[in-house]
Amino acid sequence: SAVISQKPSRDICQRGTSLTIQCQVDSQVTMMFWYRQQPGQSLTLIATANQGSEATYESGFVIDKFPISRPNLTFSTLTVSNMSPEDSSIYLCSVVLVTSGLNTGELFFGEGSRLTVL
Amino acid sequence: ILNVEQSPQSLHVQEGDSTNFTCSFPSSNFYALHWYRWETAKSPEALFVMTLNGDEKKKGRISATLNTKEGYSYLYIKGSQPEDSATYLCAARDNYGQNFVFGPGTRLSVLP
Repeated sequence: SAVISQKPSRDICQRGTSLTIQCQVDSQVTMMFWYRQQPGQSLTLIATANQGSEATYESGFVIDKFPISRPNLTFSTLTVSNMSPEDSSIYLCSVVLVTSGLNTGELFFGEGSRLTVL
Repeated sequence: ILNVEQSPQSLHVQEGDSTNFTCSFPSSNFYALHWYRWETAKSPEALFVMTLNGDEKKKGRISATLNTKEGYSYLYIKGSQPEDSATYLCAARDNYGQNFVFGPGTRLSVLP
């Protein structure tokens, strides 16, 4: 498994501001992802953070709104820009690791960052 | 695009009761099905990953089954305890992108 640390764990933000969430993994990982869960919704993939190149965004998510950095294989940041109340969510960093005996890979998550936008 | 559904949305049971809930997913191009337990203020915790039709996995009082032909998985909890209270998520992966597509979860509350 992996130890994944996220910060902040929670924050209350004003509309129009931006917040950067940090994710630190205790080992080098190739695949790192950012998810969000809006209230009452499924956990949804925002983007894949690629080391040394631009992130790959899922449909409905754009770089201007959710810029992502991945300077090395153990660290990534997600910025939520120009926030509105609709951005109130839990944001989760995750990595895929291939666990012993399986070649399917397994997702491991940080504890999440709970954002409330007023 | 995968569409993963879970039912019920929420569930309240008494301590000691056994319970089960369902995850439904498209059966075509199936690759893997994952179950997670997500307690408040903690990381989602991987419970099971299943790939073969008819798979059954067990961890303590929790077990899961998989039917890839009809596209569903059941999660069972035997003798529920208050510490089982959590949101249970399933995620399906297909052969195309192999992205993890999550269902909305089943929120379980076990009352003492």
